[in-house]
Amino acid sequence: EPEVTQTPSHQVTQMGQEVILRCVPISNHLYFYWYRQILGQKVEFLVSFYNNEISEKSEIFDDQFSVERPDGSNFTLKIRSTKLEDSAMYFCASDGEGSAGPNSPLHFGNGTRLTVT
Amino acid sequence: AQTVTQSQPEMSVQEAETVTLSCTYDTSESDYYLFWYKQPPSRQMILVIRQEAYKQQNATENRFSVNFQKAAKSFSLKISDSQLGDAAMYFCASPGNTPLVFGKGTRLSVIA
Repeated sequence: EPEVTQTPSHQVTQMGQEVILRCVPISNHLYFYWYRQILGQKVEFLVSFYNNEISEKSEIFDDQFSVERPDGSNFTLKIRSTKLEDSAMYFCASDGEGSAGPNSPLHFGNGTRLTVT
Repeated sequence: AQTVTQSQPEMSVQEAETVTLSCTYDTSESDYYLFWYKQPPSRQMILVIRQEAYKQQNATENRFSVNFQKAAKSFSLKISDSQLGDAAMYFCASPGNTPLVFGKGTRLSVIA
């Protein structure tokens, strides 16, 4: 079964450094998402991406964040200057099932654990 | 704004018994989907079951079923014949005007 893959599984960085989290969505999916889960808390929406542009973003997704789909397969999340409070699990997701609608079930990657020290 | 509420932070169940996890939501949409996701200790997010709001029949996936009460905006998950591998965080989720909104989760423990 096709799956969403994320790399790395764990990233440790120093405060103020830039990080890039990488994702390869399921190949025929059209909507892509990033979610964040601070340890012990709920999963929070960051941004959605469709047709090579951001379709929605949350208040969390400020100017320190950016997303890109540099080629036909990768979908990246960049944090320009990391803060301690950026430490969290970051999930990439894509949806499809042929309907390409916002109500399709999300397929999540295994997540990247980001630790900012 | 879309809200999803899970009122049970923790639940426990004996192996082979049945447990029900609660979820209520608020939406102005007339047609929408509801989802339950499972997050085991590995922290992977796994789709358990989904319900289409316009369908009156409750969704079922093997040992997992839902009790969907549209008027009450309630969407509970029933796990029958609980197994040790069912131990995880369970998140209820619903799309609204934005992509999926998750509840705070219910941590399910299964007692052998």
